[in-house]
Amino acid sequence: AQKITQTQPGMFVQEKEAVTLDCTYDTSDQSYGLFWYKQPSSGEMIFLIYQGSYDEQNATEGRYSLNFQKARKSANLVISASQLGDSAMYFCAMREGPDTGRRALTFGSGTRLQVQP
Amino acid sequence: GAGVSQTPSNKVTEKGKYVELRCDPISGHTALYWYRQSLGQGPEFLIYFQGTGAADDSGLPNDRFFAVRPEGSVSTLKIQRTERGDSAVYLCASSPMTYGVGGELFFGEGSRLTVL
Repeated sequence: AQKITQTQPGMFVQEKEAVTLDCTYDTSDQSYGLFWYKQPSSGEMIFLIYQGSYDEQNATEGRYSLNFQKARKSANLVISASQLGDSAMYFCAMREGPDTGRRALTFGSGTRLQVQP
Repeated sequence: GAGVSQTPSNKVTEKGKYVELRCDPISGHTALYWYRQSLGQGPEFLIYFQGTGAADDSGLPNDRFFAVRPEGSVSTLKIQRTERGDSAVYLCASSPMTYGVGGELFFGEGSRLTVL
């Protein structure tokens, strides 16, 4: 099974509108971390936001918030007040529990967001 | 700059040749990761170093791929007998040593490898 699933290959949003990018994950660990990265056309991976599985509140960072629904195993990224500069690929990623010995992040296939003026 | 530095930014080679890609992590970061990203896909894990040793090399696709980090800082990804399917962007990332599941990775801008 895919560890991280992003079902939206592409999304359009009007400037100044909010948009939700979907992410579901699969793990049997109780402790895990969820990350979102942005990759503009220039190629660099930019860290946006992190949510730990034991965090009771949804993470927020400026215009980014993470809608964490543990029972559904979803970690959707919400971008409020979209800007033209938000146009990019967005990747959801997970780090599973320390007992796995695995430190690397596992990434989804990404969603391409295009913000329209 | 204080970010992760990768060289070369672009490498074009012929099928069957040997290639080395270099990564200079953020100073003080003990963890170093190599990923491969094919067009339109997410990064795919290759290998992870903690200090000088490869703590997890489960993502290396075959024995043509090898990576070293002899002094716990700079790392080199080595690809022998390159094949056209090796064409991709190779991303390096580093992070401080952390415990638990937190701690983001800091990525370089990648090395684009094209095998003709």
